[in-house]
Amino acid sequence: DADVTQTPRNRITKTGKRIMLECSQTKGHDRMYWYRQDPGLGLRLIYYSFDVKDINKGEISDGYSVSRQAQAKFSLSLESAIPNQTALYFCATSDPRDSGETQYFGPGTRLLVL
Amino acid sequence: QQQVKQSPQSLIVQKGGISIINCAYENTAFDYFPWYQQFPGKGPALLIAIRPDVSEKKEGRFTISFNKSAKQFSLHIMDSQPGDSATYFCAAADSSGSRLTFGEGTQLTVNP
Repeated sequence: DADVTQTPRNRITKTGKRIMLECSQTKGHDRMYWYRQDPGLGLRLIYYSFDVKDINKGEISDGYSVSRQAQAKFSLSLESAIPNQTALYFCATSDPRDSGETQYFGPGTRLLVL
Repeated sequence: QQQVKQSPQSLIVQKGGISIINCAYENTAFDYFPWYQQFPGKGPALLIAIRPDVSEKKEGRFTISFNKSAKQFSLHIMDSQPGDSATYFCAAADSSGSRLTFGEGTQLTVNP
């Protein structure tokens, strides 16, 4: 987990506010991902990026945007937070040269939208 | 819709028992099936994975069984220990391997 860091670890915000969650990695991986985890729903992919110039929507991208500032940094923004975006958010990285392309997850950001 | 369905949602076993978690998938293009383990306050971490060219893979006390015709796979934890208490996620990916579709998760509790 130390190779993939997320800030903040916990955040409380109000409906309508814009917030940014940040992810940094020292693994040197090109591929980065943002997921949200909800009880009973597992992990669902929000956005992913295969390199600095490549950004792709996942299965639940509505209400979110991302920025890939560098190979090591991938930020997730909630443009106007709503209560049903309350969840645990994870960043992950992977290396396509890895035969199984293991994804390495950060420790998560717990977000509460009031 | 959930392309990978996982059961049970929660599981309680006694120390030394066998824990079994099942997953079923729909997309026949999936050809990589990892299991991730998540401890409280941590991100998921890869536990074990299988490709459909084999029906079983074993690593220590952890075994994946794979049934391609039924589109099902399962995780067996032999001699379950309290330290195995965690949430387990099955997942699946196509040949690119990069986009994982996760199951709903199973919260395993192993009582001492």
